[in-house]
Amino acid sequence: EDQVTQSPEALRLQEGESSSLNCSYTVSGLRGLFWYRQDPGKGPEFLFTLYSAGEEKEKERLKATLTKKESFLHITAPKPEDSATYLCAVWITQGGSEKLVFGKGTKLTVNP
Amino acid sequence: GAVVSQHPSWVICKSGTSVKIECRSLDFQATTMFWYRQFPKQSLMLMATSNEGSKATYEQGVEKDKFLINHASLTLSTLTVTSAHPEDSSFYICSASLGGGPKEQFFGPGTRLTVL
Repeated sequence: EDQVTQSPEALRLQEGESSSLNCSYTVSGLRGLFWYRQDPGKGPEFLFTLYSAGEEKEKERLKATLTKKESFLHITAPKPEDSATYLCAVWITQGGSEKLVFGKGTKLTVNP
Repeated sequence: GAVVSQHPSWVICKSGTSVKIECRSLDFQATTMFWYRQFPKQSLMLMATSNEGSKATYEQGVEKDKFLINHASLTLSTLTVTSAHPEDSSFYICSASLGGGPKEQFFGPGTRLTVL
């Protein structure tokens, strides 16, 4: 069964304290891995797509990396406005159709 | 660009009634729209995939007679929760694809459904 596990469930950081979020996956036929940011009561906001092991992408204080079994979202010198839930999703083909399978997310809180 | 809206943003209804949620792509034509459900502290779960002009494809375990999906145009899809019950209370999110399948999805802001 295709699975996506994110850790930790919740993370509290002080402003400026860098850290990483983990997304491990067990899927057959991975076509891509996505990172989204979700604010409370809102829909997910696209951050990155990674397609192959070794790929890295950066956007402001965020950097996403991908290996054959997991992905990391590195947050460098976070600010309070980075507080949100970060979702990881894998793009798979199942039963002839394509879909995203999401993890439960990591709730990040950055204290000033 | 690539804005998706949902209406209503929240709704409260009595058990046994039906509720319709609209999902619109405002500035692009969406060949495919997706409907997700998210329970508190749980992951987004895909309910169904709908393509304009054809019947929706439902995920295993999702009752197609209870969750009616209509994708009548390239900019509008609707989800109707029929005979809603308290266990249907959840956050419903739609997304619209530019045509590249699930990899180019833009998500709506979600609809909070509470069934009393």
